[in-house]
Amino acid sequence: DAGITQSPRHKVTETGTPVTLRCHQTENHRYMYWYRQDPGHGLRLIHYSYGVKDTDKGEVSDGYSVSRSKTEDFLLTLESATSSQTSVYFCAISAVQGSTYEQYFGPGTRLTVT
Amino acid sequence: GEDVEQSLFLSVREGDSSVINCTYTDSSSTYLYWYKQEPGAGLQLLTYIFSNMDMKQDQRLTVLLNKKDKHLSLRIADTQTGDSAIYFCAVHKTGTASKLTFGTGTRLQVTL
Repeated sequence: DAGITQSPRHKVTETGTPVTLRCHQTENHRYMYWYRQDPGHGLRLIHYSYGVKDTDKGEVSDGYSVSRSKTEDFLLTLESATSSQTSVYFCAISAVQGSTYEQYFGPGTRLTVT
Repeated sequence: GEDVEQSLFLSVREGDSSVINCTYTDSSSTYLYWYKQEPGAGLQLLTYIFSNMDMKQDQRLTVLLNKKDKHLSLRIADTQTGDSAIYFCAVHKTGTASKLTFGTGTRLQVTL
């Protein structure tokens, strides 16, 4: 358990509304990531952060923004939700233990956009 | 960029061995990982192997790496119903800010 929590765990929202998902970690890891999981696509990286206020895009970043104002919190925002953003969202941290780069995951947020 | 492929589904009988396969495209991949995802849960790291190794064993799990063919496999000995899950392989490449590229996942079904 890498001390990662996500909130909310489930959310239903309407098309066009803004949505913010929160990832919280308790162990001061530098790297944090947001993925989405969809059938047939595995996990795809949306955005990641390599420090406070330092973020970068992943492979499916369109329609998403992120912020990291504190080491422990990484927020994912859908400015105007669309049905194509219905998915399960996972946050992860990289422990970078020695140099093995493994990632540890939160429990996920299931988002439904109607 | 990196491409990681897995077959979608595998069914085995309880007590048999399971072999889950993964292929990747980038020969500069340094660490390769196996994750397990149970229904409704996040991904759990099972094991990893460094690219200079051919094999790693951890209790019922054996990881084999064929660098020449860019092929990674996970063998689960004496498969149990509790092993039913989705298994993901993931690869890391040096200089990619600790980013991993994940395969599409293999759903393992264990039958009695």
